[in-house]
Amino acid sequence: KNQVEQSPQSLIILEGKNCTLQCNYTVSPFSNLRWYKQDTGRGPVSLTIMTFSENTKSNGRYTATLDADTKQSSLHITASQLSDSASYICVVTSNYGGSQGNLIFGKGTKLSVKP
Amino acid sequence: SQTIHQWPATLVQPVGSPLSLECTVEGTSNPNLYWYRQAAGRGLQLLFYSVGIGQISSEVPQNLSASRPQDRQFILSSKKLLLSDSGFYLCAWSVPGRRDQPQHFGDGTRLSIL
Repeated sequence: KNQVEQSPQSLIILEGKNCTLQCNYTVSPFSNLRWYKQDTGRGPVSLTIMTFSENTKSNGRYTATLDADTKQSSLHITASQLSDSASYICVVTSNYGGSQGNLIFGKGTKLSVKP
Repeated sequence: SQTIHQWPATLVQPVGSPLSLECTVEGTSNPNLYWYRQAAGRGLQLLFYSVGIGQISSEVPQNLSASRPQDRQFILSSKKLLLSDSGFYLCAWSVPGRRDQPQHFGDGTRLSIL
C-alpha cells in the first residue's frame, strides 16, 4: 500500500535554531517527492520537488534531502524564523495515475517557532 | 503570472442545505484542476480532478459533485450537505503532463456544517 509517514507530528523550537523534519514513504513506482509549507488557514505552497536522481535541493533556508534507496526524505530548516511556523507536508508522486501521476500526501508536521 | 482564487473563504451551512464553492485560475490555459478536502489531523484527500472542460474524475464516492463549465473555472457542489462534509476545501491547478511541476493551491474554503 502506498503510504507517506511524517515525523514528528509536531515540533516546537526557539527562533534562530535549526530543525529537521522526516518523511518515510512506501510509494512505488516512485516519480518525485515534494515538500509543501502550509500556513494556518492558507493553501500549501511548494518548497521543493526532487526526482529519483536528486539527493538534495535547497530553497533559501530550506534544504530537502532524498535517499531513494531507503525511501526517506528530510527537510532541514536553518536559522528558523517566526514565519516558519506552519505545517510542512511531504507528498510523493507515483508513476501511476495518468500524466499527472498519483499524489500521496503525508499528514504533515506542525512546526511552531517561539521567540 | 498565474493566480488561483477560491471563494468564499469561510462558510457555515445547515445540514441538508445545498453547496456551491467556486475556483478560478488566471494566467494559464487548459490547466489540470483539482478539489481536495483536508480534515483536521489528516492528509489532503483528492476529491475530483479535471483535465478539460466537462471532464471530471471522481476519486471517492460521496454526496459531492464537481463541474468545469469553463476552462479555468471549477465548481464543487452538493445538493444536501451532511455533517461529515465539514472541512477545509482546497482547489489546485497544475500544468498538464508535467509531473516535475508542483500543484498550486488556492487559500481554501473553511466549511462548517451545523
